[in-house]
Amino acid sequence: AAGVIQSPRHLIKEKRETATLKCYPIPRHDTVYWYQQGPGQDPQFLISFYEKMQSDKGSIPDRFSAQQFSDYHSELNMSSLELGDSALYFCASRNRGQGGDEQFFGPGTRLTVL
Amino acid sequence: GENVEQHPSTLSVQEGDSAVIKCTYSDSASNYFPWYKQELGKRPQLIIDIRSNVGEKKDQRIAVTLNKTAKHFSLHITETQPEDSAVYFCAARGRGTGNQFYFGTGTSLTVIP
Repeated sequence: AAGVIQSPRHLIKEKRETATLKCYPIPRHDTVYWYQQGPGQDPQFLISFYEKMQSDKGSIPDRFSAQQFSDYHSELNMSSLELGDSALYFCASRNRGQGGDEQFFGPGTRLTVL
Repeated sequence: GENVEQHPSTLSVQEGDSAVIKCTYSDSASNYFPWYKQELGKRPQLIIDIRSNVGEKKDQRIAVTLNKTAKHFSLHITETQPEDSAVYFCAARGRGTGNQFYFGTGTSLTVIP
């Protein structure tokens, strides 16, 4: 069965650079969640989209933005990167419109800011 | 918003013993409670979940109980094995517009052979 795809899997950036993380949800899933997970921390909710519209906003910095496109894939854009942005970034998808409760996580993108 | 608390933060048990992890939540509107197992550097994996209309659910060595009145739910792992060693997260999802998931702070479980 198809799973959630994230790219790239690893990314190294310098401070003040920009980064774009991509998420391809499971086919026919209409909801995408983005999480940031620092070492030893629980996943922190950043933002979510349902049917291409932003639905919830969590602890996403103003330097970050995200959107969901017509094909339901989502991108997280991160600007003016800081050392503290180094973390694992997960997206998860869910078939909310069909009553699905479960969110399915992608493998994550490990971002390192030097 | 929702607030999920999880205890203990670390737990060590002997192989074959049981492990129990407890979570409380604050929003009575939350209606879905998943548990995730996460190994180092890997994605969270759903191991069991429960909906608010059910009090208990079991899947082989893993069970979850939910007390809606007290707003707490627990994960029970019996006959623990070394491969159960991982970080476990509870979560709660509300009925709000976005159906956001709120995570507990995690429990690092070590099963000693």
